[in-house]
Amino acid sequence: EVQLVESGGGLVQPGGSLRLSCAASGFMFSSYVMNWVRQAPGKGLEWVSYITSSSHIIDYADSVRGRFTISRENAKNSLYLQMNSLRHEDTAVYYCARSIPGRGGLDFWGPGTKVTVSS
Amino acid sequence: EIVLTQSPGTLSLSPGERATLSCRASQSVSGSFLTWYQQKPDQAPRLLIYGTSTRATGIPDRFTGSGSGTDFTLTISRLEPEDFAVYYCQHYGSSPRFTFGQGTRLEIK
Repeated sequence: EVQLVESGGGLVQPGGSLRLSCAASGFMFSSYVMNWVRQAPGKGLEWVSYITSSSHIIDYADSVRGRFTISRENAKNSLYLQMNSLRHEDTAVYYCARSIPGRGGLDFWGPGTKVTVSS
Repeated sequence: EIVLTQSPGTLSLSPGERATLSCRASQSVSGSFLTWYQQKPDQAPRLLIYGTSTRATGIPDRFTGSGSGTDFTLTISRLEPEDFAVYYCQHYGSSPRFTFGQGTRLEIK
């Protein structure tokens, strides 16, 4: 069974940093593109970042580029999101999600981890 | 940048009725990369349809995706109580890589 479990969320002050993790199991993690997607309270879904299986291609939404860094450790079946210079508008539930190979959709999602940026 | 506009914003229907949800793209997109999700309160999104019309594993056949170019539709043929949720369309492209519609809330009338 495919499982994705995020961790690392919490309360942080504006300008602070946080590192999110996503533990994957039940599939060959090293073969899949992975993503972070977020959802602000009461709002819709916003894609945040993308990383290919070998980390050769990395991409970010304009709203986080230069502040967030995605990475992965295939040996540990883990995905990460380092978030720096956090802003109030980064407050959201952050989901890690697996890409469907060659199809551009996201087939498995974790339950999410909540990040609150507030003083 | 492609913008996806979903309509209506809220759809009020009764169990057993047919639901038609629209997703319109600001420019023509490849149907191969058009996806639909369902999200219930306090849950992660769930993949319903990818490639415009392919149902994901375990999705009942009352869910049908269709469309091409700029106009895509998710149809739920006979609403079950568990179908009342928020639905999002999504496109995979180049910049940004993933674009989501703003969602359609399907509520019980």
